[in-house]
Amino acid sequence: GIQVEQSPPDLILQEGANSTLRCNFSDSVNNLQWFHQNPWGQLINLFYIPSGTKQNGRLSATTVATERYSLLYISSSQTTDSGVYFCAVDQGGGADGLTFGKGTHLIIQP
Amino acid sequence: DGGITQSPKYLFRKEGQNVTLSCEQNLNHDAMYWYRQDPGQGLRLIYYSQIVNDFQKGDIAEGYSVSREKKESFPLTVTSAQKNPTAFYLCASSIGKGTQYFGPGTRLLVL
Repeated sequence: GIQVEQSPPDLILQEGANSTLRCNFSDSVNNLQWFHQNPWGQLINLFYIPSGTKQNGRLSATTVATERYSLLYISSSQTTDSGVYFCAVDQGGGADGLTFGKGTHLIIQP
Repeated sequence: DGGITQSPKYLFRKEGQNVTLSCEQNLNHDAMYWYRQDPGQGLRLIYYSQIVNDFQKGDIAEGYSVSREKKESFPLTVTSAQKNPTAFYLCASSIGKGTQYFGPGTRLLVL
């Protein structure tokens, strides 16, 4: 099956810093999503981005499908940005379920 | 409020016991999914259902069973055949292949 690798596995930054999280995948995909998992375990949708670039406030994402990677940018980090960020992909033509990476654990220090 | 609810929040299972986790959505989504998360890991797909009365095995279906008798409900049973059931279980739904939305999860612990 498809492999999803995220880097870095851990990232510690000061409040106000910018960060880039990377997701590499081993085959073509029809669906790519970025999620933020908060300390209580809730998965929050950030982006649905199988290709192209999207922005939402301080967050933006870019997926280059032909080169099989996606990037999540966080600018002017806040302590509430802390948590685990997951990239997940789906190859199938129908609603087949997502394959997740192992995540990037982000800690924003005040 | 529209959304996905899971219950209970915490569940304890005794040796040899089957337990059922509830997942309900009022988003009118056709597709529903169950995932398992182990500490420090990503999510893995257990079962998914694209439509009522139909469901498919995911990557780790052994020891689990599901039903999809109603559009809004997709319960997961963890059977005694699942030898390592302690995990965080997350349910999701979507309109076709679109964005998946997740419930708050159920933490299952073995006594």
